[in-house]
Amino acid sequence: EAQVTQNPRYLITVTGKKLTVTCSQNMNHEYMSWYRQDPGLGLRQIYYSMNVEVTDKGDVPEGYKVSRKEKRNFPLILESPSPNQTSLYFCASSLLVTLNEQYFGPGTRLTVT
Amino acid sequence: GDSVTQMEGPVTLSEEAFLTINCTYTATGYPSLFWYVQYPGEGLQLLLKATKADDKGSNKGFEATYRKETTSFHLEKGSVQVSDSAVYFCALSDANTGNQFYFGTGTSLTVIP
Repeated sequence: EAQVTQNPRYLITVTGKKLTVTCSQNMNHEYMSWYRQDPGLGLRQIYYSMNVEVTDKGDVPEGYKVSRKEKRNFPLILESPSPNQTSLYFCASSLLVTLNEQYFGPGTRLTVT
Repeated sequence: GDSVTQMEGPVTLSEEAFLTINCTYTATGYPSLFWYVQYPGEGLQLLLKATKADDKGSNKGFEATYRKETTSFHLEKGSVQVSDSAVYFCALSDANTGNQFYFGTGTSLTVIP
């Protein structure tokens, strides 16, 4: 089954404790992306990647890191989480972003206290 | 920079009513336009898309026409059902801005029997 998986689905952590949210897709997509969803703000793009070893900042990259060492994986790293990073995070992938749909993962609910 | 503006919600309609959700965009180039739907507790799914001016995207009874002259991509459905209750996001992708993806803030639709 074609899918995007994220882990964990729910995470409660404390300020400053490094964490990684994993994202994996099995569709051989070149493009992968991370978004955060906040009430009243919709989805905002954090980082995206056009292919292995190629990453670019989206609209809200501050406080986040990503890596793309393999085509299927695109982890999101929070080196020192802060409460303003409490949000719902989605990973997505697609073949060619301008012409094809993005497939979204189920989301990761992160709470930073 | 690029952006998407969609009508604020929430929207509540009776079953079989006509639906319009307005969406306008700002883009430097010739973007592709999308409508995504998010059902409760799930990730986003592509509803329809249009890649050039005057294209009409359609799916599941929903339609939207890419209007370059008014920079709009309004979502319409002639007769909504209870199962259409969800949050709807308008989005654009513009290759001229490095393949970033921009989403509107989302419009929550509730259809009552």
